Amino acid sequence: GAVVSQHPSRVICKSGTSVKIECRSLDFQATTMFWYRQFPKQSLMLMATSNEGSKATYEQGVEKDKFLINHASLTLSTLTVTSAHPEDSSFYICSARIGGNSPLHFGNGTRLTVT
Amino acid sequence: DQQVKQNSPSLSVQEGRISILNCDYTNSMFDYFLWYKKYPAEGPTFLISISSIKDKNEDGRFTVFLNKSAKHLSLHIVPSQPGDSAVYFCAASLGGSNYKLTFGKGTLLTVNP
Repeated sequence: GAVVSQHPSRVICKSGTSVKIECRSLDFQATTMFWYRQFPKQSLMLMATSNEGSKATYEQGVEKDKFLINHASLTLSTLTVTSAHPEDSSFYICSARIGGNSPLHFGNGTRLTVT
Repeated sequence: DQQVKQNSPSLSVQEGRISILNCDYTNSMFDYFLWYKKYPAEGPTFLISISSIKDKNEDGRFTVFLNKSAKHLSLHIVPSQPGDSAVYFCAASLGGSNYKLTFGKGTLLTVNP
């Protein structure tokens, strides 16, 4: 069964508004979660690493003020796309490891459409 | 610069035959490789992995081969089943499985009944 839950699965918003995406680890604690983005026909690109209780680490080229990440508990990380623009329309996916050397488990993703 | 390349965007195979999905990488420092399967509107699901100290790892119908000198890995599925139809992503990491993954663009596998 799923070990990482992501919500919502699909969201449509107007340009200029903010959208929050939640990522929860189920039945395990995740001190680190990862946020990926996938544009059509492109690979999954790591946006940032979310660390529980501390600031997220952003990949080069990802605006931290635009993509706000909060990892307030060991089972929840949120990604807020602020002042969304049509070019932010994408598939956003979070992931986490159950522990140790286990592979990344992904949520089902969120399809964001900004009109 | 695409460090992990899956040059075939799609592959079509008959049920019962072998599916071979290929992946090339450019960074010789990658030391851990994974394959993920993704159905539409779902997140990727881990399939199989291999460390750079090995050249083969097998799990049921799935086998991953690694050729470090050629910077090439492949995923073999045999026998292929219609339920295997999905997008397959190759991914690589530096410093073992605990580090961030670099993904290829994926290959859409279609297994025809």
